[in-house]
Amino acid sequence: DIVMTQTPLSLSVAPGQAASISCKSSQSLLDSDGKTCLYWYLQRAGQPPQLLIYAVSNRFSGVPDRFSGSGSRTDFTLKISRVEAEDVGIYYCMQTLQFPRTFGQGTKLEIK
Amino acid sequence: EVQLLESGGALVRPGGSLRLSCAASGFTFSKIAMSWVRQAPGKGLEWVSTIAYSGTYYADSVRGRFTISRDDSKDTLYLQMNSLRAADTAVYYCVKGLVHVDYWGQGTLVTVSS
Repeated sequence: DIVMTQTPLSLSVAPGQAASISCKSSQSLLDSDGKTCLYWYLQRAGQPPQLLIYAVSNRFSGVPDRFSGSGSRTDFTLKISRVEAEDVGIYYCMQTLQFPRTFGQGTKLEIK
Repeated sequence: EVQLLESGGALVRPGGSLRLSCAASGFTFSKIAMSWVRQAPGKGLEWVSTIAYSGTYYADSVRGRFTISRDDSKDTLYLQMNSLRAADTAVYYCVKGLVHVDYWGQGTLVTVSS
């Protein structure tokens, strides 16, 4: 199984400041088509996860441009350039390269 | 607009059975792989099962006890859960997509307790 490791597990950021979350996979997420199967989700309290970033660096429809994703092979980063109150929640990375699909442990973002 | 509406969650005793349903709309259901992902209370996300053209896939923790299926004529995904255990207590989400996993339903709560 591919192990996904997120750091930090919690983050407290003042409004307007930047935030960064790391996700490392135990093996490369690059598939045979040249696509990297790494996704980022945000789960707000009491809500289902919602897709933020797909295939490492592509913002999903409606996602503000303050969210960005980067990385390759086994090391990935989600950045929020200017944190807002609505960004509070738990962020998960997920690999969709192989079964079983696996998630990072989650990173809880709070506002200072 | 994509909508995924789960139903069927309930309180069930250990060893019991339950069938979850997910009614889909807003996309061509028959052409898209679908999955179930669960979240135990206060815990992270755990992939459970996927149904795709290539076959069906299960987490080790549910293989042999859970069965995923779909009725494309009804745009509905199912999860038959047998021999339920306390560890199966979770919110179960219906999720769209195989590699590109984009939309999640609101979830349905399954509680396994005596």
